Amino acid sequence: DIQMTQSPSLLSASVGDRVTLSCKASQNIYKYLNWYQQKLGEAPKLLIYYTNSLQTGIPSRFSGSGSGTDFTLTISSLQPEDVATYYCYQYNSGPYTFGAGTKLELK
Amino acid sequence: VQLVESGGGLVQPGKSLKLSCSASGFTFSSYGMHWIRQAPGKGLDWVAYISSSSGTVYADAVKGRFTISRDNAKNTLYLQLNSLKSEDTAIYYCARGGIFDYWGQGVMVTVSS
Repeated sequence: DIQMTQSPSLLSASVGDRVTLSCKASQNIYKYLNWYQQKLGEAPKLLIYYTNSLQTGIPSRFSGSGSGTDFTLTISSLQPEDVATYYCYQYNSGPYTFGAGTKLELK
Repeated sequence: VQLVESGGGLVQPGKSLKLSCSASGFTFSSYGMHWIRQAPGKGLDWVAYISSSSGTVYADAVKGRFTISRDNAKNTLYLQLNSLKSEDTAIYYCARGGIFDYWGQGVMVTVSS
């Protein structure tokens, strides 16, 4: 099975900061990686699919990059509403797997 | 697009439960569907997938105990949970397609004696 490792597990940043979240796959997943945002008490929301495609309605401050085993979610200018937990997910091959998440908080 | 889960509740270890996910606002039969769960205070855990042609894939932790199915005439996705364990306690979400662009609100399953 493919393991997904996210880092850091907790990230504190200030409004306006550029924030980078990492996700590493245990084997090559090409670009079959999505990013989800989950706010407290809510269902997750799709942000980025196929590594770097921005879901409709998601602000352009969110972007994704990478391929193979190393992937990144970047928030260009952190906003207060971005406080949430972020998960990566691979769908290259089953069983499909999520990372453990990065909790993003305001400093 | 709307996905609405139902069928959750409190169940004893070893017992069974069947979850439903009612879909509307899109052509249900054209989409693969997934179940994803989240234990209290924990991360997301992918559970099972069913393709538009009813092929299935399961997580190792539920293989042989859970069964995903669909009824395209009723626009409904199902998850049959058998031989339940305490570690199956979670919110269960259904989600659409390979990218999970739409999610239900989730349904709570509690396995406890």
